[in-house]
Amino acid sequence: DQQVKQNSPSLSVQEGRISILNCDYTNSMFDYFLWYKKYPAEGPTFLISISSIKDKNEDGRFTVFLNKSAKHLSLHIVPSQPGDSAVYFCAASDSGAGSYQLTFGKGTKLSVIP
Amino acid sequence: DTAVSQTPKYLVTQMGNDKSIKCEQNLGHDTMYWYKQDSKKFLKIMFSYNNKELIINETVPNRFSPKSPDKAHLNLHINSLELGDSAVYFCASSHGVGSLQETQYFGPGTRLLVL
Repeated sequence: DQQVKQNSPSLSVQEGRISILNCDYTNSMFDYFLWYKKYPAEGPTFLISISSIKDKNEDGRFTVFLNKSAKHLSLHIVPSQPGDSAVYFCAASDSGAGSYQLTFGKGTKLSVIP
Repeated sequence: DTAVSQTPKYLVTQMGNDKSIKCEQNLGHDTMYWYKQDSKKFLKIMFSYNNKELIINETVPNRFSPKSPDKAHLNLHINSLELGDSAVYFCASSHGVGSLQETQYFGPGTRLLVL
């Protein structure tokens, strides 16, 4: 039972355009959400996060939007650059569960075409 | 400086063998984790230690035993390796104190292949 779903396994975007990566979750207890970026043969690297008390968090070219009623979050990358080509994982946690456990989606492979 | 490091990076071994993977973090974090990424690419939590004490133990076979000699190290020992253990194993760490809305930092992964 996937509690965090990334329904698009891959996405191709032209350099300079916007990349939008989507993530849906089913567990209403999740209250903290993170995006990780992963290059081949490397570990996931933290990109940006958002708490459930917010609906938007921005860091440079990266913005994460959270729609709690729809249990949906998205990561916007503007403008997209070839170096952004990687697999992006959405992750969520329930801080009330008393642990620090992250539940990950399956990832979306982003290809930015020069 | 590598924040979270794992050794070895690659491990090829025969079924039935016993092997260990080591993890060290120099971030001063109190909590460390082991994740498994299987062939379907899901990253799943296996264990979590906070200040050398086990706080998460997901449904993992008893053949897997984590050991934390101190809060900067969390090693994973696997007995009687099976074909299905082939995967990439990631170590991670986080502050582990105060707010539970934590960011975890990952190591580069250990690619285990059981033949």
